Amino acid sequence: DVKVTQSSRYLVKRTGEKVFLECVQDMDHENMFWYRQDPGLGLRLIYFSYDVKMKEKGDIPEGYSVSREKKERFSLILESASTNQTSMYLCASSTDGPAGNTEAFFGQGTRLTVV
Amino acid sequence: DQQVKQNSPSLSVQEGRISILNCDYTNSMFDYFLWYKKYPAEGPTFLISISSIKDKNEDGRFTVFLNKSAKHLSLHIVPSQPGDSAVYFCAASEDNDMRFGAGTRLTVKP
Repeated sequence: DVKVTQSSRYLVKRTGEKVFLECVQDMDHENMFWYRQDPGLGLRLIYFSYDVKMKEKGDIPEGYSVSREKKERFSLILESASTNQTSMYLCASSTDGPAGNTEAFFGQGTRLTVV
Repeated sequence: DQQVKQNSPSLSVQEGRISILNCDYTNSMFDYFLWYKKYPAEGPTFLISISSIKDKNEDGRFTVFLNKSAKHLSLHIVPSQPGDSAVYFCAASEDNDMRFGAGTRLTVKP
């Protein structure tokens, strides 16, 4: 079974702190994603990566950066946390199938509260 | 501007009946469509998908229909069961760039 593991289930951080959210997948997937989930807005894509050291902006990259130094690990960084970044953060990974797209597998989520 | 839209935030259905969840998209470059199911405090889990070259895909009680000309897809669950109660997200993908809708909360009443 594919396993996508997010380092924390719950985090509480102070405004202005630098926050690291870590995600590791064990299936050698090429693609990794960071989403945030907010009520009424669904899952919004922050960043995705299709290869080591490669990244693409999603719909809401402002205030975030990412790092992918190794294939299995994709980190989301909040440079200076703000209260409007309080949310559920979801990491996902997928592979490149023969026809191109395949389903993404999700981690359990990190609920971040910025106070 | 959301490229994938689920206009019904909630749906309530009686056990044994059909549940129909709808999804619309705006980007004609999307070529792969998926449905995910999410329980509270868990990550979404993949349910069923369909490629843009098909108009129907079936897996047990779940069937997804795609109408490319209308940029519309739907998920049918027959018969609905109480365990199907969850939030359902529609997703659309182009070159592995995957976008999601806002979700529909399905409640199946015994």
